[in-house]
Amino acid sequence: DAKTTQPNSMESNEEEPVHLPCNHSTISGTDYIHWYRQLPSQGPEYVIHGLTSNVNNRMASLAIAEDRKSSTLILHRATLRDAAVYYCILREGQGGSEKLVFGKGTKLTVNP
Amino acid sequence: DSGVTQTPKHLITATGQRVTLRCSPRSGDLSVYWYQQSLDQGLQFLIQYYNGEERAKGNILERFSAQQFPDLHSELNLSSLELGDSALYFCASSDHGGLSYEQYFGPGTRLTVT
Repeated sequence: DAKTTQPNSMESNEEEPVHLPCNHSTISGTDYIHWYRQLPSQGPEYVIHGLTSNVNNRMASLAIAEDRKSSTLILHRATLRDAAVYYCILREGQGGSEKLVFGKGTKLTVNP
Repeated sequence: DSGVTQTPKHLITATGQRVTLRCSPRSGDLSVYWYQQSLDQGLQFLIQYYNGEERAKGNILERFSAQQFPDLHSELNLSSLELGDSALYFCASSDHGGLSYEQYFGPGTRLTVT
């Protein structure tokens, strides 16, 4: 399983942007980059995914490096509700393994 | 609310016992996944079923088994329970026919083995 590296923890202030980095230097050409988050006492929640181009949705933006060896999840205005563990996961493309391989993730603390 | 339901929410049982955890996927989702989350191992994939058939296996112990029924709900059976089996067990579902395969997780079942 392709590996990702994330900082153990990060801190942010409410209403400020947050940039959560992820390194995946061994990514293959067909691996998708997925982000999930887990709020306290809840199951993981899908955030966003991408392959090569930057992606935006209502929750966040995903910026993917040109060589695809790193990516950044961007929360444009952090709220207290965004405090969670964020997981960056590589998944094989269509037809490949569908399981999610979770690392330790980044614990995001949002200060009021 | 992800649309995935799991029962029971909490389960307390003794070592050596057997329990069954139940999962109902989102309406229309054909794939069901089981994950275990413990403090020392983190979130680990156990097994996946697609439309009633086993599709992928992860770090699932031989004492554990699962199945998916014709109505697409799934059960995870844990037997000869040990203290180390205490964990949160999550079920997730996905629309296998979709391009993105995002998984929707249930609220989990917290199992405590005493």
